[in-house]
Amino acid sequence: AQSVAQPEDQVNVAEGNPLTVKCTYSVSGNPYLFWYVQYPNRGLQFLLKYITGDNLVKGSYGFEAEFNKSQTSFHLKKPSALVSDSALYFCAVRFPYGNNRLAFGKGNQVVVIP
Amino acid sequence: DAGVTQSPTHLIKTRGQQVTLRCSPISGHKSVSWYQQVLGQGPQFIFQYYEKEERGRGNFPDRFSARQFPNYSSELNVNALLLGDSALYLCASSSTGDGNTIYFGEGSWLTVV
Repeated sequence: AQSVAQPEDQVNVAEGNPLTVKCTYSVSGNPYLFWYVQYPNRGLQFLLKYITGDNLVKGSYGFEAEFNKSQTSFHLKKPSALVSDSALYFCAVRFPYGNNRLAFGKGNQVVVIP
Repeated sequence: DAGVTQSPTHLIKTRGQQVTLRCSPISGHKSVSWYQQVLGQGPQFIFQYYEKEERGRGNFPDRFSARQFPNYSSELNVNALLLGDSALYLCASSSTGDGNTIYFGEGSWLTVV
């Protein structure tokens, strides 16, 4: 069964400091990995994805994520957090060559403190 | 270009009633999926449709059904509503090809009272 873990409920970071949101997965094979962001009362916005290739993936709004196969992790990072980055972040996994079913983690609330 | 559009944005229903939610995918996208997001949780997969055929179904009761139309738009129907069906219902679309990004709409907020 697919499983995505986002171990922290909330991540607090001061504005201007580096931001990291952790994600690990426990699936076999070579899944596709995604990060989405959700602002209050809104849908999900795509940030970035890892399919294959370079382990460091760059996405929207200055975010990047590093795929680590040995640690089965896909942590989201941003070098310098903005107050506007305060939102709910979801990691998701999908198997290749199958349907478009995404399995999501529980989400991490990020609070950027001015 | 318009993104994934959903209607209605908010609705309130009474237990036992039926609801229909609608979704229009991004132009050119042939795959539509539905997700349920209960407050405080991540979205849960309900259905995927591609070329009007069901391609996947999540762990939801038969009260949930969906269909896709020739123009690739989709409807999600929920019968005999329960209080626990209160949630944000998200529609997502993607183009053909493995690894393509899945884009979400703003969702339909359903409250069952």
